[in-house]
Amino acid sequence: QVQLQESGPGLMKPSETLSLSCAVSGASVRSNWWWSWVRQSPGSGLEWIGEIHSRLGINYNPSLESRLTISLDKSQNGLSLRLSSVSAADTAVYYCARHMTGVNSFDYWGQGTLVIVSS
Amino acid sequence: QSALTQSASVSGSPGQSITISCTGTNSDFVGYNSVSWFQHHPGNPPKLIIFDVTNRPSGVSNRFSGSKSGNTASLTISGLQLEDEAEYFCSSYTSISTPLYVFGTGTKVTVL
Repeated sequence: QVQLQESGPGLMKPSETLSLSCAVSGASVRSNWWWSWVRQSPGSGLEWIGEIHSRLGINYNPSLESRLTISLDKSQNGLSLRLSSVSAADTAVYYCARHMTGVNSFDYWGQGTLVIVSS
Repeated sequence: QSALTQSASVSGSPGQSITISCTGTNSDFVGYNSVSWFQHHPGNPPKLIIFDVTNRPSGVSNRFSGSKSGNTASLTISGLQLEDEAEYFCSSYTSISTPLYVFGTGTKVTVL
């Protein structure tokens, strides 16, 4: 059973750097899967943030790319997200998700972690 | 890249069928068959119920079916059940444009 669990700071102040982790069990981040981060702002739809593969590289949403770093933590079997200079617009539930093999979709998601940016 | 447009809410009685639409532009659906649908009960992870427009993952009820015509994808839930009350959202792999994935605005399904 594949499980993903996000963790994060909960509450942040504007201009700080957001760091999120996603712990993966039941699958190896070293294996042949893409892994994504997705977020949902209050009252808005979902927004794809970016994806990473252990051998094939990283792709970012251009709207976030200048502030964004996604990486794999192979020793902990997880993935991480860093988003700099956050503002209230970054307030959202952040999800990590695994891409389905050979399909451009996401077959496993975490429950999400809420990040609130407020002064 | 704008979000895919879904109706905000749809309701139906147990046993009925409902259809949720997901409308985008040509560039949203350039992946042609890379449209997915997810069911999301609050507090739980989203669940993939349809991929590649019409395919169901193993274990997903055949009451869920997907289709696509032009720039509109649709999810039909037949034999509506109380447990189907959730938010549903679509996604598309845009292939040649970025961001690579776009999502729908979400539809709240209420079982009356």
